[in-house]
Amino acid sequence: GAGVSQSPRYKVAKRGQDVALRCDPISGHVSLFWYQQALGQGPEFLTYFQNEAQLDKSGLPSDRFFAERPEGSVSTLKIQRTQQEDSAVYLCASSLESGTHQPQHFGDGTRLSIL
Amino acid sequence: QKEVEQNSGPLSVPEGAIASLNCTYSDRGSQSFFWYRQYSGKSPELIMSIYSNGDQEDGRFTAQLNKASQYVSLLIRDSQPSDSATYLCAVNAYPSGTYKYIFGTGTRLKVLA
Repeated sequence: GAGVSQSPRYKVAKRGQDVALRCDPISGHVSLFWYQQALGQGPEFLTYFQNEAQLDKSGLPSDRFFAERPEGSVSTLKIQRTQQEDSAVYLCASSLESGTHQPQHFGDGTRLSIL
Repeated sequence: QKEVEQNSGPLSVPEGAIASLNCTYSDRGSQSFFWYRQYSGKSPELIMSIYSNGDQEDGRFTAQLNKASQYVSLLIRDSQPSDSATYLCAVNAYPSGTYKYIFGTGTRLKVLA
């Protein structure tokens, strides 16, 4: 079966523009996570969905970041009024169920560059 | 203090040797631990998961967990040049938080041919 799919793979935007990043999780996976990975660092948690419910958004850096998963499958991460510090790789991961032992499966990420 | 700590490396080992990668974590209540391999520009790929004290083996990989010392390690036997990558230690935040992962910064491994 297909893995986690993210689009676009690369996105270049000018400072101040809005961007939208898409994640298509593995079919049937209940949990969906967004992470931000800066160069040379490990991924940092942004937000978590269980089906369509956003259960944790504690990692979102500011109110410019917004995520949704309206039908419990595809998710979109939106960044408004982008800043240079938003430049990073945005990774999406999904897991079959919610649970502490559930492994997360990652997509290839969207590399966002803000000019 | 960072919640999950790894030596950033690079860790260089000759081909055929054992590579030993280490990770410490701060939350004593953590229950599940994962090792991911990440090639440059690629997504993290799950290598091992471990939940109980002791060793867990899968092929050339062995994960070791010591909850009393808050320490988890990954051993790679018979290291190959294709093992050269960054290895990320991830700790599930539950029960202190939701099921998100807390990652270390990763250890870069270089296997020299």
